Amino acid sequence: ETGVTQSPTHLIKTRGQQVTLRCSSQSGHNTVSWYQQALGQGPQFIFQYYREEENGRGNFPPRFSGLQFPNYSSELNVNALELDDSALYLCASSLPGQGFTEQYFGPGTRLTVT
Amino acid sequence: AQKITQTQPGMFVQEKEAVTLDCTYDTSDQSYGLFWYKQPSSGEMIFLIYQGSYDEQNATEGRYSLNFQKARKSANLVISASQLGDSAMYFCAMRERVDSSYKLIFGSGTRLLVRP
Repeated sequence: ETGVTQSPTHLIKTRGQQVTLRCSSQSGHNTVSWYQQALGQGPQFIFQYYREEENGRGNFPPRFSGLQFPNYSSELNVNALELDDSALYLCASSLPGQGFTEQYFGPGTRLTVT
Repeated sequence: AQKITQTQPGMFVQEKEAVTLDCTYDTSDQSYGLFWYKQPSSGEMIFLIYQGSYDEQNATEGRYSLNFQKARKSANLVISASQLGDSAMYFCAMRERVDSSYKLIFGSGTRLLVRP
């Protein structure tokens, strides 16, 4: 049974560019949540995907978008990058109905926007 | 809206001693769940312990226990017999309903440093 993996580990982008972050969920988990963690803060919920559809969204603008694929892996896309988008981006996979007591986080992608 | 407050930005503890990390929460829901996560410098959030609002007993998982005081809306994490590997950021979180699913609301975290 594999854990949650994310790629890339680190990324440096320029303001205005677009970025795609990837997440492979825990084996058998069909729900993926994405979080943004700015330096020195707790993670903030971006959105969640369940069976390839967005299932809930936090207070993030539309330039943050996502996809989930039939194998339950997921992508987070951010357009028109801003300096404040610099953060650690975490994905977490889970099964619905378990109330997050069986939710596993990946190691994160650290994005730096210059 | 729900809120999690962690008032200790940093804590020190001597190896082998116990330490309590504070967490208070605010919610109008009758049914809710509280979590503690550990985040080492590698970045991964590691689930430690869960407490449901209707659970009558405080949750325990090995050296971790949750001191749940519902009337005071507090859910403090107690780590017994601290080890050097316990040095990390610790986050308290609450589950909140969003659309047809749930999300976690996190506090700002407490950095724990275990001294040898």
